[in-house]
Amino acid sequence: NAGVTQTPKFQVLKTGQSMTLQCAQDMNHEYMSWYRQDPGMGLRLIHYSVGAGITDQGEVPNGYNVSRSTTEDFPLRLLSAAPSQTSVYFCASSDPSQGNYGYTFGSGTRLTVV
Amino acid sequence: QQQVKQSPQSLIVQKGGISIINCAYENTAFDYFPWYQQFPGKGPALLIAIRPDVSEKKEGRFTISFNKSAKQFSLHIMDSQPGDSATYFCAATLEGGATNKLIFGTGTLLAVQP
Repeated sequence: NAGVTQTPKFQVLKTGQSMTLQCAQDMNHEYMSWYRQDPGMGLRLIHYSVGAGITDQGEVPNGYNVSRSTTEDFPLRLLSAAPSQTSVYFCASSDPSQGNYGYTFGSGTRLTVV
Repeated sequence: QQQVKQSPQSLIVQKGGISIINCAYENTAFDYFPWYQQFPGKGPALLIAIRPDVSEKKEGRFTISFNKSAKQFSLHIMDSQPGDSATYFCAATLEGGATNKLIFGTGTLLAVQP
C-alpha cells in the first residue's frame, strides 16, 4: 500500500495564480482532510470530507476549494494564490469503521507564493 | 472553545533523560487524544493515543498520562534517545469517535543531545 500520496512535493506560485494540490489514498478510508502547517501554529484544518460527495469547512477555509468525487481522491484548489498561503500542506485520511482512529498523513506539499 | 494548548514550545533533553510535553484542552466533548511525531520533511505519524476512560497508556518508552478533571494530558518519553529528536503534536477530536476533525496543539520541538 502506498498510503496517502501528495503531489507535487514543492511548488512556487505567483500571486493570483491558481493550482490544485493532489491527494490520493489507497486504504479505502472514508475520512479525508487537508491541513496547513505554519511555524508556531501547529496544523490547522482547511477542509474535510466524511465520504465521497460530502465536504465541509474547517478552521481556515478561505481561499481554498475542495471536492470529493471518489473515495480515493481529495484535491485542494487554490483559487487565486496569495503570499499568506505560503505554507506546508498535508492531506490525511482515517476510517474509524475500520478501527483506524488515527490519521495517516501524506508527506506534504511545500508551497511558496511570491 | 476548540483549542488545544501545548507546552513547551521547545525542549532539550540529555540522552537517557525523560522528556515531558504537556497539553490542555477546554472542550469536554473531546473523546480521543492522539500524539503525533514529525521528522523534518515528513508528515506527522501517529505515535500513541488515549481515550478519557483511562488515566494512563504506555507503549514502549512512550506514556500518555491523562487527567480528565483537569482537562490535561501529557506525553512522557522515557530513556530519551537522539532518534527521538522530532516535533511532537498533541491533538484531540471534536466529535465523538469520528476523527474527521482533529484539533492540534502548536507542537513541541524536542532535541535529545547525545
